[in-house]
Amino acid sequence: QSVLTQPPSVSGAPGQRVTISCTGSSSNIGAGSDVHWYQQLPGTAPKLLIYGNSNRPSGVPDRFSGSKSGTSASLAISGLQAEDEADYYCQSYDSSLSGSVFGGGTKLTVL
Amino acid sequence: EVQLVESGGGLVQPGGSLRLSCAASGFTFSSYAMSWVRQAPGKGLEWVSTITGSGGSAYYADSVKGRFTISRDNSKNTLYLQMNSLRAEDTAVYYCAKPNSGYNYGAFSGWGQGTLVTVSS
Repeated sequence: QSVLTQPPSVSGAPGQRVTISCTGSSSNIGAGSDVHWYQQLPGTAPKLLIYGNSNRPSGVPDRFSGSKSGTSASLAISGLQAEDEADYYCQSYDSSLSGSVFGGGTKLTVL
Repeated sequence: EVQLVESGGGLVQPGGSLRLSCAASGFTFSSYAMSWVRQAPGKGLEWVSTITGSGGSAYYADSVKGRFTISRDNSKNTLYLQMNSLRAEDTAVYYCAKPNSGYNYGAFSGWGQGTLVTVSS
């Protein structure tokens, strides 16, 4: 059971917009800790997609966006492309555990 | 360009020990906290441990506390993870990770390719 809760899977057709939620608690997201998002393609290391809730590293398309409110955060992907099919993870800091915590991951399927 | 190269993984019996290494290049190693993150086969990411840039402080997940020790040699730009009393549930790909800022728990912008640790008799 992960500290941050994500839906196991989401899907969408090419060109559509999908969102992935990440629900935490008062000891992590709700305490003001930043949320970061990663994309992991099969057999590869994770890649940073969004940092500090809503910031994109250089090279990440603006189709990817992040937001945070209360004890939850969301990753939105617009204009879905086949290459977006991957696993997505959220991450934050938990003050009660004194360490980083990840969501369980969400598998995105592009129909 | 940030490069992180892990090594030291392999097959070990339950109760055994293993030491992982992560050779870093392309950035001022001593200026950044470094972390280990693992991923069991077919499972999600799990934070394992973080060490500050100076090596003066270390933090661990409850699942490895008392069994794993993180350390670093800033003169060699190398991060280590000493794993003792290994269990089957420690089987995973272990990644070393670098944050994108000086904050100990910043987003991980740099990742190694991972090294597989298999605990089995």
